[in-house]
Amino acid sequence: AQRVTQPEKLLSVFKGAPVELKCNYSYSGSPELFWYVQYSRQRLQLLLRHISRESIKGFTADLNKGETSFHLKKPFAQEEDSAMYYCALSEWGNQGGKLIFGQGTELSVKP
Amino acid sequence: SAVISQKPSRDICQRGTSLTIQCQVDSQVTMMFWYRQQPGQSLTLIATANQGSEATYESGFVIDKFPISRPNLTFSTLTVSNMSPEDSSIYLCSDGGRSSYNSPLHFGNGTRLTVT
Repeated sequence: AQRVTQPEKLLSVFKGAPVELKCNYSYSGSPELFWYVQYSRQRLQLLLRHISRESIKGFTADLNKGETSFHLKKPFAQEEDSAMYYCALSEWGNQGGKLIFGQGTELSVKP
Repeated sequence: SAVISQKPSRDICQRGTSLTIQCQVDSQVTMMFWYRQQPGQSLTLIATANQGSEATYESGFVIDKFPISRPNLTFSTLTVSNMSPEDSSIYLCSDGGRSSYNSPLHFGNGTRLTVT
């Protein structure tokens, strides 16, 4: 069955430290992977998607099909990065817009 | 960027009543999606709303409990029927992406529902 696993419920780091939010997935086909972010009192918004290979707000994520992982990384965390982060998987095909979300990781960046 | 307006933003309802949530997208999209986020939980897809056909429900969700309308390509409603306290959640809508990948990219602000 399709599944997205984010093993850490809470990740706390100091400002300037590197950050890695883990995401593993289980999917038999060819998935599209996303990271969504939700800042306090704001709506859920797309951070990045694997297909575009972008770096957004200093964050990057590489799809590793061998390890079925899509970890989110940033070399130097900022206080404004504190938020809830969700890894999500989307199927291709006719219902390709459906998203399967991980449980989310709360990132807390301390000064 | 795309804008999705969702209302109401929050409501407190009595057990046994129904609430209809509206979602308006600023441009035409093929698919719209409804998610539920229970307290302390992640988002779970309820159903896919397609214009001109019945919604497609995920396992564990049924039309009688969560009827959905999709009268045109920019609007959808989700009704939470015969509510119980277990329905207390945040309900979100999203669009089917506007790119060729056909994946949702934008979410409404959510409706925080409390059932007493």
